[in-house]
Amino acid sequence: AQKVTQAQTEISVVEKEDVTLDCVYETRDTTYYLFWYKQPPSGELVFLIRRNSFDEQNEISGRYSWNFQKSTSSFNFTITASQVVDSAVYFCALGSGSARQLTFGSGTQLTVLP
Amino acid sequence: SQTIHQWPATLVQPVGSPLSLECTVEGTSNPNLYWYRQAAGRGLQLLFYSVGIGQISSEVPQNLSASRPQDRQFILSSKKLLLSDSGFYLCAWNRGGIYNEQFFGPGTRLTVL
Repeated sequence: AQKVTQAQTEISVVEKEDVTLDCVYETRDTTYYLFWYKQPPSGELVFLIRRNSFDEQNEISGRYSWNFQKSTSSFNFTITASQVVDSAVYFCALGSGSARQLTFGSGTQLTVLP
Repeated sequence: SQTIHQWPATLVQPVGSPLSLECTVEGTSNPNLYWYRQAAGRGLQLLFYSVGIGQISSEVPQNLSASRPQDRQFILSSKKLLLSDSGFYLCAWNRGGIYNEQFFGPGTRLTVL
């Protein structure tokens, strides 16, 4: 069975702080894909990143970075020097052959205070 | 560039009334199309997906149905709405494999009274 756990329901930080959003996944497939999406108050989900299970290289994109560790089944997302505009719900998702659909975590509400 | 449209943006309907939500994609051909529902509490639930015209896969049994009459048009329908159908409905598309990144529309907020 597929499962994605985002244990942090809500996080509040002050602007310019760094924040890490945790994502732990479960799958029996050896090939799978991991995603992060951002959902601002407007409601539309915005795609942030997709990683393949065979590529454990960490990735950095501006203030965003992702740490993929197969040993701990985690795909954590760090925002450096957070800004108020980063306030949103962030979803981690897993896709693999046996499920034939994306399995989303329950999301983490991030609030960045000025 | 590709864009995805959904309408209406908000909808308030009485219990027992019919429903029709529409989603269209521009700037691409033969996309995979998806309908999700997001109930209170934020979780996303896949309702239907389609890999081509007339091809619909249902993930959750319910009183909703989906149709794909044209390549870039995806419609979510119900003959009789239930209170539990309230939620935020999101349409998404992607190309190629089902695990390529999906791009979401602006959503429709449905309230059933």
